[in-house]
Amino acid sequence: GENVEQHPSTLSVQEGDSAVIKCTYSDSASNYFPWYKQELGKRPQLIIDIRSNVGEKKDQRIAVTLNKTAKHFSLHITETQPEDSAVYFCAASISNTGNQFYFGTGTSLTVIP
Amino acid sequence: DTGVSQDPRHKITKRGQNVTFRCDPISEHNRLYWYRQTLGQGPEFLTYFQNEAQLEKSRLLSDRFSAERPKGSFSTLEIQRTEQGDSAMYLCASSSGTGGFGNTIYFGEGSWLTVV
Repeated sequence: GENVEQHPSTLSVQEGDSAVIKCTYSDSASNYFPWYKQELGKRPQLIIDIRSNVGEKKDQRIAVTLNKTAKHFSLHITETQPEDSAVYFCAASISNTGNQFYFGTGTSLTVIP
Repeated sequence: DTGVSQDPRHKITKRGQNVTFRCDPISEHNRLYWYRQTLGQGPEFLTYFQNEAQLEKSRLLSDRFSAERPKGSFSTLEIQRTEQGDSAMYLCASSSGTGGFGNTIYFGEGSWLTVV
């Protein structure tokens, strides 16, 4: 089955700096890669996703890049704010089956004011 | 509120007791998922329904776990003879299942289980 690895496990940045979280996946058939943000005790919430037919997607301060050849994708947060502090999870799935999403182990991001 | 809702949000039970969690997916979502999440880990897949059919079960889902979605709407997850290792957050998620390229899943707030 698919194996998703996520790095780093913890990340601290100064407010206003950029944060980058990286994930790798093992199954070349995976073609849909969402990112979720989870605040303590709350549900994971989708913040951005990318499909394998594009290499980059941006939504305001958040961007995701995908390298299908290397089987890795990254989340980029620019101009970080304290409210960006949370745990971020990457995931991979094969959209034509849509039955399993494989999650990384999470990155705890702390934005220091 | 049109989000995924779960009940109860918190449950403390004694080892050996049975517990049941309920999930109401987003209206008209025909796919429903159960995940388990422990502290410091990402969600782990447990099982998946398309309408009322349970199409896949993880090896994590032991014989003590059973899930149903009798009318293709809400779902229940029952854990029999709970063990301390069952303590976790049980997350329900749903998706529309439409659109072949990408199938976003939306999570509920989760049901926290503590087995003492």
